[in-house]
Amino acid sequence: DGGITQSPKYLFRKEGQNVTLSCEQNLNHDAMYWYRQDPGQGLRLIYYSQIVNDFQKGDIAEGYSVSREKKESFPLTVTSAQKNPTAFYLCAGGTEYSNQPQHFGDGTRLSIL
Amino acid sequence: AQSVTQLDSHVSVSEGTPVLLRCNYSSSYSPSLFWYVQHPNKGLQLLLKYTSAATLVKGINGFEAEFKKSETSFHLTKPSAHMSDAAEYFCVVTRSSNTGKLIFGQGTTLQVKP
Repeated sequence: DGGITQSPKYLFRKEGQNVTLSCEQNLNHDAMYWYRQDPGQGLRLIYYSQIVNDFQKGDIAEGYSVSREKKESFPLTVTSAQKNPTAFYLCAGGTEYSNQPQHFGDGTRLSIL
Repeated sequence: AQSVTQLDSHVSVSEGTPVLLRCNYSSSYSPSLFWYVQHPNKGLQLLLKYTSAATLVKGINGFEAEFKKSETSFHLTKPSAHMSDAAEYFCVVTRSSNTGKLIFGQGTTLQVKP
């Protein structure tokens, strides 16, 4: 089945540690997005990529980094510079066209040890 | 600038009664609007979308929404709530006419009582 696959489902980070969240898609989407979700808030855009080897900062990019070496993959690294990383992270795929919906993965919940 | 406001953070209904989740938007152009649903610890699933065709949009699971330009609203309705409808609902507007970037409302938690 086609979809967006995120792993792991749960992740724990120690102080000063970088962690990487995986996002893979087999929907042939050109664009991919990373969002952060905090309780009682909507989703906020961290980074997005509209084409391989190119990505743009979203609204809350500080403390995060991404890469887009393959169309199918868009991993997110939460660096030690992100002081409040505890959140639910969602990856989505879509197009660059505004009238097309995005398809979401099932998320990764990141917590601090 | 585009924005979206969900007017209720929490809505509680009894099973079998109508559902109304309210959403107002602000946009400097003709936007695309979406409603997504999120069940606990899951990703978002598209319920329906408005993209400047018919103003009454029908979605999955019996939901529908009406685009009212004069009121800048895009309220989500369902005639009869089911227990499985209990979830978080997000109203979403596109950020601009030439990208797929989205702006999310704060979300409305729908509780369905037996």
